[in-house]
Amino acid sequence: DIVMTQSPDSLAVSLGERATINCKSSQSVLYSSNNKNYLAWYQQKPGQPPKLLIYWASTRESGVPDRFSGSGSGTDFTLTISSLQAEDVAVYYCQHYYNIPLTFGGGTKVEIK
Amino acid sequence: EVQLVETGGGLIQPGGSLRLSCAASGFAVSSNYMSWVRQAPGKGLEWVSVIYTGGSTYYAESVKGRFTISRDNSNNTVYLHMNSLRAEDTAVYYCARSAGREVFFDYWGQGTLVTVSS
Repeated sequence: DIVMTQSPDSLAVSLGERATINCKSSQSVLYSSNNKNYLAWYQQKPGQPPKLLIYWASTRESGVPDRFSGSGSGTDFTLTISSLQAEDVAVYYCQHYYNIPLTFGGGTKVEIK
Repeated sequence: EVQLVETGGGLIQPGGSLRLSCAASGFAVSSNYMSWVRQAPGKGLEWVSVIYTGGSTYYAESVKGRFTISRDNSNNTVYLHMNSLRAEDTAVYYCARSAGREVFFDYWGQGTLVTVSS
């Protein structure tokens, strides 16, 4: 199974500042035949289901603000919130879809400093 | 508009059985990969099972042999049949849709809580 490790577990960022979340997979999730990284990011607010933010490691889902961006390849990935807004307070999860079983990272809680 | 509505959760004794339903609208469950993902109280997300458009099914090791995913195309509903329930199965169970042929999730239901306790 591919193990997804997120860091940090939590972070506090001032409004308008940058938030950076890391996700590392135990093996590469880059599929060589199509050069795509099988990695997605989700946002989950309290009492709500997760919401898809990013797929293919860097493709933003329709309607997601452009302050959210994904980067990385192979085993190391980053979700960046360029200018943190109050509504971005949430837990963020990465997920690989390279093979079965699918696995999620443990989550990163983002708060306002 | 795509909607997923889960029902069937509740309090069940260890060793018991339960069937969760996920009623879909706005698309056909037969045309999308459909999954169940669970979240134990205060914990992270755990993928449980997927049913592909062709009918193939896959499970997390933690539920293999105890849970069965199925779908009813005429009712546009996906099910999760859960047997031999354990305390560690206590979680909110989400139904989730995959947009294409890759298993990431573009739509989620609101979830249904399953509590396994005596």
